[in-house]
Parts: sequence; structure tokens; C-alpha cells
Amino acid sequence: QSVLTQPPSLSGAPGQSVTISCTGSSSNIGAGFAVLWYQQLPGVAPILLIYDSTNRPSGVPDRFSGSKSDTSASLAITGLQPEDEADYYCQSYDSRLTSFVFGSGTTITVL
Amino acid sequence: EVQLVESGGGLVQPGGSLRLSCAASGFTFSSYWMHWVRQAPGKGLLWVSRINNGGSATMYAGSVKGRFTMSRDNTKNMLYLHMNSLRADDTATYFCVRDPSGVGRLDHWGQGALVTVSS
Repeated sequence: QSVLTQPPSLSGAPGQSVTISCTGSSSNIGAGFAVLWYQQLPGVAPILLIYDSTNRPSGVPDRFSGSKSDTSASLAITGLQPEDEADYYCQSYDSRLTSFVFGSGTTITVL
Repeated sequence: EVQLVESGGGLVQPGGSLRLSCAASGFTFSSYWMHWVRQAPGKGLLWVSRINNGGSATMYAGSVKGRFTMSRDNTKNMLYLHMNSLRADDTATYFCVRDPSGVGRLDHWGQGALVTVSS
């Protein structure tokens, strides 16, 4: 069971927006540790989408944006495109577990 | 171009051992911290271990501590994961991942190596 909780699935029509939540606790997100987001397309390795809660690596479209508040974080995808169909994972560090931790993952379906 | 290529995966019996390797190229390997992350079939990502850029400090997930050993050879640009006392729940694709600063920013991933633990 993941210490970072994400909704199992979300969907949206092309052009719409979706927001994925990542709920943690005082020992991870709430402790100020960075939140990162990864996209995993079917059958391939994950890629980094967001680091330090809000920053995008070069090459990541600005349709992807991250935010953080208290013990939670969110990834927003605006202007959904068919190629956004993938699994998305949040990640942080947990001081109680002394371990890096991933969220449970969210599958985005573009209708 | 940054490349991370894992090898050494395969079928192993419960209780057995296996060594994964990761060949790094396209960047100054000795400047980067490295991680192993695994993904069981149809499941989510699970962090396994981290090693600092010099190879002197390692950290492990509780589920593998005492059974897995991570190491690196900066002269050969190679990363390793020695896995002992393997269990069925260690069955997963193991990814070699680069981290610029050791704080978990996993910016480049290998394609993964499948380890299957079964009798």
C-alpha cells in the first residue's frame, strides 16, 4: 500500500483538462520534501514530467503543471491530447520510512 | 545522448541470486547519483535503492535491505544490483535511473530488465 495516494483512473475528452491528486502526510509532502511527477506510456520506461513540485524539465509541454499545498500535490494537464493516455506517478521522500516513495499511480484515458 | 542499458535479468528460483548490470553512456557517470526502481507486472513503481556518485554510500528500501547490494564502477561506467535470497514478490522489471543530486530527481531511466523468480 502506497504512502502517497492517487486516484486509480481519470478521463477526459480531447481539449479538456484533468487534475491528478497526490495525498501524502506530515512525513513526506507535508515535511517539505520535493514532489515529482512521472509519465509512463504503455510498455516503456517512465519519464520525468515535473520536479521540485512545480518545475518542468526542458522538452515537457507547458500543458503539464504541478502544484503543492500542505500534505498534497497535484498535476494538471490542460488541453488533453490522445498521446497523454498513460499512467502518471507522483514521488517524494518519506522521513519515517527513510525511503523514496511513489504514489499508487493514475491511469489517464482520453475519451 | 544519455543511455542507460540494463542487462542480467532472467528466470531464477526462489532463494537464488542474480546480478543486474547497467551500462551508462552519454554523460559523466561519476558525477551522478544512481537508483534502482522496480515495477511488478501490471503494478506501480517501487523504489529499491540509491548510491551516491562516489559509490561510498547506499540506501535501500526496507523490503530488500539485507538481501540486495548496490554498487558501481566509475572506471567502467557501470552500475550493479546484486540480489540474494530472491522471493516470488521480487519478480519485476528493474529500472536503472539517473539522479543529478541524490534527492530523488529521476531524470533518465533505462528500458528495464525483467527478473522472474519462480520454481
